[in-house]
Amino acid sequence: GNSVTQMEGPVTLSEEAFLTINCTYTATGYPSLFWYVQYPGEGLQLLLKATKADDKGSNKGFEATYRKETTSFHLEKGSVQVSDSAVYFCALRGGGADGLTFGKGTHLIIQP
Amino acid sequence: GAVVSQHPSRVICKSGTSVKIECRSLDFQATTMFWYRQFPKQSLMLMATSNEGSKATYEQGVEKDKFLINHASLTLSTLTVTSAHPEDSSFYICSAWDSAPNEQFFGPGTRLTVL
Repeated sequence: GNSVTQMEGPVTLSEEAFLTINCTYTATGYPSLFWYVQYPGEGLQLLLKATKADDKGSNKGFEATYRKETTSFHLEKGSVQVSDSAVYFCALRGGGADGLTFGKGTHLIIQP
Repeated sequence: GAVVSQHPSRVICKSGTSVKIECRSLDFQATTMFWYRQFPKQSLMLMATSNEGSKATYEQGVEKDKFLINHASLTLSTLTVTSAHPEDSSFYICSAWDSAPNEQFFGPGTRLTVL
């Protein structure tokens, strides 16, 4: 079956630091890959996505590249801000109307 | 983006009672909705896929008689937790699939506490 593994948190960084949150996956076929963000007290929001190998998703300064050879979709940001503090979930989807398989989430804490 | 609402946002009930949670897509029609469950500090686990006008598809290990799902219209799916017990206490999240952008939009979640 499908599975997603992402680094455990919490991850604590200083403002303007470089961020990497690792995510690897196991899936049959060619899944679509996602990063979702959950801010305190709010629902899940799509941060970025990639639907095929070598695609790069990007949004709000965050980037992730779909690497089929390493089955990875690591999330990166060059300079984090306090407002980026949230829980980040890596996820995959097999088909268009399939449910999502989520990683356990990484709690990111950015200190001023 | 599209908006999905859930009601109630929080519910506390006694053991043995049933609780209904509603999930609505407010500005699009969703032939498919999904129900997830999230335990504290853990990931979201897909419980079932709800298709409008047909029976829901449950993931392995999820009791269909315990978690009743009805998707009677293109904008509403309901999850009823029957004869709730304390171990059913959790955060339940729905999502609705919008075919146009081919994306799932999530509701804000419902916190269920069973005493």
